[in-house]
Amino acid sequence: EVQLVESGGGLVQPGGSLRLSCAASGFTFSSYWMHWVRQAPGKGLVWVSRINTNEGITSYADSVKGRFTISRDNAKNTLYLQMNSLRAEDTAVYYCVRGGEQLGDYWGQGTLVTVSS
Amino acid sequence: DIVMTQTPLSSPVTLGQPASISCRSSQSLVHSDGNTYLSWLHQRPGQPPRLLIYRISARVSGVPDRFSGSGAGTDFTLKISRVEPEDVGVYYCMQTTKFPFTFGQGTKLEIK
Repeated sequence: EVQLVESGGGLVQPGGSLRLSCAASGFTFSSYWMHWVRQAPGKGLVWVSRINTNEGITSYADSVKGRFTISRDNAKNTLYLQMNSLRAEDTAVYYCVRGGEQLGDYWGQGTLVTVSS
Repeated sequence: DIVMTQTPLSSPVTLGQPASISCRSSQSLVHSDGNTYLSWLHQRPGQPPRLLIYRISARVSGVPDRFSGSGAGTDFTLKISRVEPEDVGVYYCMQTTKFPFTFGQGTKLEIK
């Protein structure tokens, strides 16, 4: 069974940092692009970042470019999102999403990041 | 960025009746490889989204055949032939033809 389990969310002050993790299981993690998508409370879905299978290609939404860094450890079957210089508008549930032919076929349950003083 | 516009934003429907959601993109979603990467997702309150349809009309395994997708270029439609109670929630179209991938605003399906 495919599982994606996010962790690392929490309350952080503006300007602070957090590192999200996504533990993957039930599939060959190293064979799939992976993505982060976020959803602010009561709002819609927004793509944040993506990474290819071997970290050779990464892409970011303009709103997080230069502040967030996506990475992966294929040996640990884990996806990461390092978030620096956090702003109030980064407050959201962050979802780890599997890529591939059916992009978005698996989503984690999400981890809530709250940026507030 | 490609803007995805869904209509309606809210759709009250009667159980057993059909429902239809439209999604229009600000530019063609035909990829250079010839495919059109337009998907539909469903999200229930407190749950992550669930992929229903990809590449316009391909149903994900396990998705009931009352869900169907159609369209081409910039205009796409999700149809539910007979609405069931479990179909309530928010529906999103999503384009993954060009990065940054983008979503529609969401359409809330409610039972009358």
